[in-house]
Amino acid sequence: EVHLVESGGNLVQPGGSLRLSCAASGFIFNNYWMTWVRQAPGKGLEWVANIKQDGSEKYYVDSVKGRFTISRDNVKNSLNLQMISLRADDTAIYYCARAGNFGRIDYWGQGTRVTVSS
Amino acid sequence: DIVMTQSPLSLPVTPGEPASISCRSSQSLQESNGYNYLDWYLQKPGQSPQLLIYLGSIRASGVPDRFSGSGSGTDFTLKISRVEAEDVGVYYCMQTLQSPRFTFGQGTKLEIK
Repeated sequence: EVHLVESGGNLVQPGGSLRLSCAASGFIFNNYWMTWVRQAPGKGLEWVANIKQDGSEKYYVDSVKGRFTISRDNVKNSLNLQMISLRADDTAIYYCARAGNFGRIDYWGQGTRVTVSS
Repeated sequence: DIVMTQSPLSLPVTPGEPASISCRSSQSLQESNGYNYLDWYLQKPGQSPQLLIYLGSIRASGVPDRFSGSGSGTDFTLKISRVEAEDVGVYYCMQTLQSPRFTFGQGTKLEIK
């Protein structure tokens, strides 16, 4: 059974940094693109970043480019999101997810909450 | 970037009645292979989103057959033939044509009357 478990969410001050992690199990991790999707309080879903199976390609939504870095460790079966220069509008639940064939997001974690506030 | 627009944003439905949600994209989501790169997701209250439909009309594993997806190009529809209480939540469409860059619609909140 596929499991995705996020961790690392916290309260952080504006301008601060945070590193989110996602532990994956139940599937061959290095066969899949992986994704971060976020959801601000009371708002809809927003795709944040994707990373290719071998980590050679990374893509970001414009609002986080230059501030967020997605990475993966195919030995530890983990996905990461390094976030710097955090802003209030980065406040959200961050979901780790698997991107299956044709790009569909077929498995989601339970999410980790990031709050950016002074 | 492709913009996804859903309607309605709120949908009250009587149990047992059908429901329909529209999703329009700012450009065609159909590739030369004939596939439409459009997914539907449901986020039930307090839960993570779950995949319902991919490539416009293919039900994901375990999704009840009362859910169906249709449409092509820029206009898509998610239909629920007979709404059940467990179907409440927010429904999102998402384009994967520009994969690995995705875009979601605003969401449609389905509630029981």
